[in-house]
Amino acid sequence: AQTVTQSQPEMSVQEAETVTLSCTYDTSENNYYLFWYKQPPSRQMILVIRQEAYKQQNATENRFSVNFQKAAKSFSLKISDSQLGDTAMYFCAFPTYSGAGSYQLTFGKGTKLSVIP
Amino acid sequence: NAGVTQTPKFRVLKTGQSMTLLCAQDMNHEYMYWYRQDPGMGLRLIHYSVGEGTTAKGEVPDGYNVSRLKKQNFLLGLESAAPSQTSVYFCASRLWGGSNQPQHFGDGTRLSIL
Repeated sequence: AQTVTQSQPEMSVQEAETVTLSCTYDTSENNYYLFWYKQPPSRQMILVIRQEAYKQQNATENRFSVNFQKAAKSFSLKISDSQLGDTAMYFCAFPTYSGAGSYQLTFGKGTKLSVIP
Repeated sequence: NAGVTQTPKFRVLKTGQSMTLLCAQDMNHEYMYWYRQDPGMGLRLIHYSVGEGTTAKGEVPDGYNVSRLKKQNFLLGLESAAPSQTSVYFCASRLWGGSNQPQHFGDGTRLSIL
């Protein structure tokens, strides 16, 4: 079974500082995608960033970037210049093959990030 | 530009009552999902559908039934609600089932069973 592990249940960071959220996963596949979702107090699930495993370059979306280490099966999210609006739960997600050409997302248990003014 | 819409947003039920949660998407997505979110557990897949008229069990299907009679709608039913089903329920959809496709989520339904 493929698993996704987020080892930091809670983290905090000072406004304008940088924070890194960790995620590790287990898979026997070679080509795949990884996702980070953000869930603010409003409860919405918002896609933050997506990484393609066969690309060497780490994905970047404005202040959000990933550190993807394929051999180590590690997919961490770095948030630069943290803002109060970044306060949220962050979920790492990995597509798990469910048959008939279909993939479904397996989520980690989440990291609760608090940005402190 | 509605995306994925869930109704209702909140509901309180008594043990043994039944209800149906509705998920509607206007993006012509083939795949739809129902998750539940509990504290410390992340999101767990209840049931999913790979197209109109199809459904399949996820990780935690017991106590729930689903139907996908129309492509745009995915219904989650609780026949006899139990306190253990108190949770926040999310519906999601994606264009197709490839591993590169992100899921688009609704805003969730908070369900309390007394």
